[in-house]
Amino acid sequence: NAGVTQTPKFQVLKTGQSMTLQCAQDMNHNSMYWYRQDPGMGLRLIYYSASEGTTDKGEVPNGYNVSRLNKREFSLRLESAAPSQTSVYFCASILLAESTDTQYFGPGTRLTVL
Amino acid sequence: GENVEQHPSTLSVQEGDSAVIKCTYSDSASNYFPWYKQELGKGPQLIIDIRSNVGEKKDQRIAVTLNKTAKHFSLHITETQPEDSAVYFCAATPIASGTYKYIFGTGTRLKVLA
Repeated sequence: NAGVTQTPKFQVLKTGQSMTLQCAQDMNHNSMYWYRQDPGMGLRLIYYSASEGTTDKGEVPNGYNVSRLNKREFSLRLESAAPSQTSVYFCASILLAESTDTQYFGPGTRLTVL
Repeated sequence: GENVEQHPSTLSVQEGDSAVIKCTYSDSASNYFPWYKQELGKGPQLIIDIRSNVGEKKDQRIAVTLNKTAKHFSLHITETQPEDSAVYFCAATPIASGTYKYIFGTGTRLKVLA
């Protein structure tokens, strides 16, 4: 049981390049989330998927797209990377049951855009 | 929408002393308040949480208190140890809707001095 996994761990892009961050969970969780973490700003929600087949915007969605490929996988795409998107990206998931509210986080992807 | 403020941003304590981190929230609909610990290079991990129908919850050296009237909640760590050194995040969310959109505080860097 690996929990939440993210690939890659590190990535360097040039301005204008595109890339997809991958996230998978093996806990049969219903909801999945993408956050970015910047110094002094905590974790900010980019997009989330409450259930398979649905996605919604969070606080900072501009410049990103997501795909909930199936119940296990939730990917985040940067179509044209900008230096402002340099950040650490975390994926998280949650079961959504009355007695189980814990949100589990992956280890993160550190992205640098030059 | 919800806004969560967290204080202090950094906290240094001597080993064995207590540490207190405080958060305030703005949305009275929020009813679930988790605390996360993030060690260097890792994703956040849940350490304790509290629902709005409870005023206090304790787990060994860690406790959380909630004041719904004042809309603030606090993390208390007693008998601190060097391994408690990390960044701590509070969060707030209304869980009635089932989407669990967490709003995080900006984090507190705790240093426990040996």
